[in-house]
Amino acid sequence: DARVTQTPRHKVTEMGQEVTMRCQPILGHNTVFWYRQTMMQGLELLAYFRNRAPLDDSGMPKDRFSAEMPDATLATLKIQPSEPRDSAVYFCASAPWDNEQFFGPGTRLTVL
Amino acid sequence: GQNIDQPTEMTATEGAIVQINCTYQTSGFNGLFWYQQHAGEAPTFLSYNVLDGLEEKGRFSSFLSRSKGYSYLLLKELQMKDSASYLCAVRGAAGNKLTFGGGTRVLVKP
Repeated sequence: DARVTQTPRHKVTEMGQEVTMRCQPILGHNTVFWYRQTMMQGLELLAYFRNRAPLDDSGMPKDRFSAEMPDATLATLKIQPSEPRDSAVYFCASAPWDNEQFFGPGTRLTVL
Repeated sequence: GQNIDQPTEMTATEGAIVQINCTYQTSGFNGLFWYQQHAGEAPTFLSYNVLDGLEEKGRFSSFLSRSKGYSYLLLKELQMKDSASYLCAVRGAAGNKLTFGGGTRVLVKP
């Protein structure tokens, strides 16, 4: 049963700390997405990769957020320094080319 | 840019039918997706339309009119487990980038 996995599932941290979220896409999927979901803004695309190359990161605050794919089995999203307004659920999704996206369970981040 | 509108909340009775509308204004269009999201869980794919018309998949159907910038998701024979948020998402002209609407929360009552 192939699925996207994300770690950690929950993270509570203090303002100013670095946060790293990890995602393992479904094997064989070459497109990986990072989304953020809040009650106010809904589900927003932060960045996405195809074949490990960044295609679009226009939704990501560049000064504190960074996204990478060190290899085909790992995508990372880092926030440094974190702020209370970054509190949200962060979803990773993967897809084979332009087909439907499969979402991971999400990382619920709380920044105090 | 993309602008996607869908109602915030709908209530329906178990066994009934509910239709969730989605209107969009986009600079490019390459398909419309519907996702279901239960509270505290990840979105899961329901349907995809790229051509005008109706796509049926079991109790769920989705319709698209590209000229009107309009889609709906029809849920038939509602069950309690259908209580969830339903997200409409539009794919732009290039790549697989989706823009999501705010979601419609459907509450199914006995």
